[in-house]
Amino acid sequence: SAVISQKPSRDICQRGTSLTIQCQVDSQVTMMFWYRQQPGQSLTLIATANQGSEATYESGFVIDKFPISRPNLTFSTLTVSNMSPEDSSIYLCSVDEGGAGGYTFGSGTRLTVV
Amino acid sequence: DAKTTQPPSMDCAEGRAANLPCNHSTISGNEYVYWYRQIHSQGPQYIIHGLKNNETNEMASLIITEDRKSSTLILPHATLRDTAVYYCIVSLYGTASKLTFGTGTRLQVTL
Repeated sequence: SAVISQKPSRDICQRGTSLTIQCQVDSQVTMMFWYRQQPGQSLTLIATANQGSEATYESGFVIDKFPISRPNLTFSTLTVSNMSPEDSSIYLCSVDEGGAGGYTFGSGTRLTVV
Repeated sequence: DAKTTQPPSMDCAEGRAANLPCNHSTISGNEYVYWYRQIHSQGPQYIIHGLKNNETNEMASLIITEDRKSSTLILPHATLRDTAVYYCIVSLYGTASKLTFGTGTRLQVTL
């Protein structure tokens, strides 16, 4: 299955600033997904990123707050903009390689906003 | 996507089988049942999936009822390393499908 490298693994940021999270996959994949996991909660899908087109955002998430880039088939970034303490969460990227292997997840970025 | 219902927590003794139930009464004919688990501080890990037949792999077995309204994930010999939150998800199969996570079952394996 694919190997995902997510950077940074954790960060502490000041409110009002922005953080860009990188997701690198060791194979080409069509779809990449970004999730948020708030403290003690389950995962919530933020958006789906397809190479060559704009990301598709889920209800409650907007591009101005969570801009996503997908420049090629192995890489994507998620930016958390104008951060507030409520943005403190784990952010995870995920890919589906197709076939029977299910979805593979990165190890996540633990973000704390102070 | 169909909604799933799982017990919030379960305990299991090490070495015994862990049977994790999931209800998905509104599942549609072309939706699969997926199971993932999330060990503390890690990303979710795919375990197994199925449509209507029972499935088995090196990690677990998946038993789906004939009417497909419920399923059970079986870890045949649970170990301490199986302590995690287990998510049952119903989704279409394919790269365009997205996974909607519920609250899952927190499985605690004890000595």
